[in-house]
Amino acid sequence: GNSVTQMEGPVTLSEEAFLTINCTYTATGYPSLFWYVQYPGEGLQLLLKATKADDKGSNKGFEATYRKETTSFHLEKGSVQVSDSAVYFCALSTNSGYALNFGKGTSLLVTP
Amino acid sequence: EAGVAQSPRYKIIEKRQSVAFWCNPISGHATLYWYQQILGQGPKLLIQFQNNGVVDDSQLPKDRFSAERLKGVDSTLKIQPAKLEDSAVYLCASSLTGGDYGYTFGSGTRLTVV
Repeated sequence: GNSVTQMEGPVTLSEEAFLTINCTYTATGYPSLFWYVQYPGEGLQLLLKATKADDKGSNKGFEATYRKETTSFHLEKGSVQVSDSAVYFCALSTNSGYALNFGKGTSLLVTP
Repeated sequence: EAGVAQSPRYKIIEKRQSVAFWCNPISGHATLYWYQQILGQGPKLLIQFQNNGVVDDSQLPKDRFSAERLKGVDSTLKIQPAKLEDSAVYLCASSLTGGDYGYTFGSGTRLTVV
């Protein structure tokens, strides 16, 4: 079946540090891949997406590249801010209904 | 545009009681999803509607959970009777069609079963 595995948290970084959150997936067919973010007390928000191999999704300084050969979609940001503190979810969707399969989430805490 | 509205925001009930959650999707969004998010886990799909028809309810525990979407707009999710393991945040999401990935999530209803 379809599944997403992402690195365990919490991840604690100092402001301006480089961020990588690993995400790998298992899927039949050719899934679309997503990163969602959940800020404290708020709902899930789409951060970025990629719909085919080698696509790069980007938003708010975050980037992730769809790597079919390694079945990965790692999230990166060059310089994190305190306001980036949140829980980040990697997810995939296939053509069957387009419902999302989520990973367990990675909590990020950025300290000043 | 207005977002996906959910109510109530919080609910505490005793086990074996029943509870209902309500969702009002974005106007014109044909596809509506209910997800269950247990603390420390990612959301899990419970049911997907396309207009007022069910597309996927394979992960809905049908012995206790039910959902409906009358007239293809608002939706309700019901649990009867509730169990302790049903404690979770119940998220509603909607999209224009099932295939454009333009999901919008509501803020969720946090259910605590004691």
